[in-house]
Amino acid sequence: GDSVTQKQGQVTLSEDDFLFINCTYSTTTYPTLLWYVQYPGQGPQLLLKVTTANNKGISRGFEATYDKGTTSFHLQKASVQESDSAVYFCALVDRGGGSGNKLIFGTGTLLSVKP
Amino acid sequence: DMKVTQMPRYLIKRMGENVLLECGQDMSHETMYWYRQDPGLGLQLIYISYDVDSNSEGDIPKGYRVSRKKREHFSLILDSAKTNQTSVYFCASSLSVYEQYFGPGTRLTVL
Repeated sequence: GDSVTQKQGQVTLSEDDFLFINCTYSTTTYPTLLWYVQYPGQGPQLLLKVTTANNKGISRGFEATYDKGTTSFHLQKASVQESDSAVYFCALVDRGGGSGNKLIFGTGTLLSVKP
Repeated sequence: DMKVTQMPRYLIKRMGENVLLECGQDMSHETMYWYRQDPGLGLQLIYISYDVDSNSEGDIPKGYRVSRKKREHFSLILDSAKTNQTSVYFCASSLSVYEQYFGPGTRLTVL
């Protein structure tokens, strides 16, 4: 079945550093890939959606792209701030399951930004 | 204001007790979800509800059941809770599968 792998469990950066997080995916259908962000004490919220390979999704200074050749998708930000400290989840829309369309989430990357 | 609420926010139960987690939304979304979040495992889907009395199992439904009698309310029930059901539970609602609105979560501890 469809799957998502997110290997970076934790990333620690200083303010103004460059952020790059990636996931790999596997699907037999056309991929729709998402990034969710979870701030401390809150539920996750949608950050970005990417539906076309090599076209960027952009929101709140974050950019997301995916590469069909390597079946990977990336989240990046040029200059992180302490307020970006959160858990970032990649997700894939699974269209083939018996439960109808659903999201498959990665295991999350905890970003800690030091002032 | 689009909002998903969850009650209670924190709950401690003993093994074998019944647990009721409640979720509400004010967006008239047809589809609602229950997830659990555990360290290193991300978000795992327990149940999906497509509308009143139209529920489907997710990826890890064993040990859980749900109830949806009104569009705005979705309950998760644990009959005879087990220690391995200690987790943070999130409810979500959505118009499309892409953008799910999550509640603040319920932290359940089963002793």
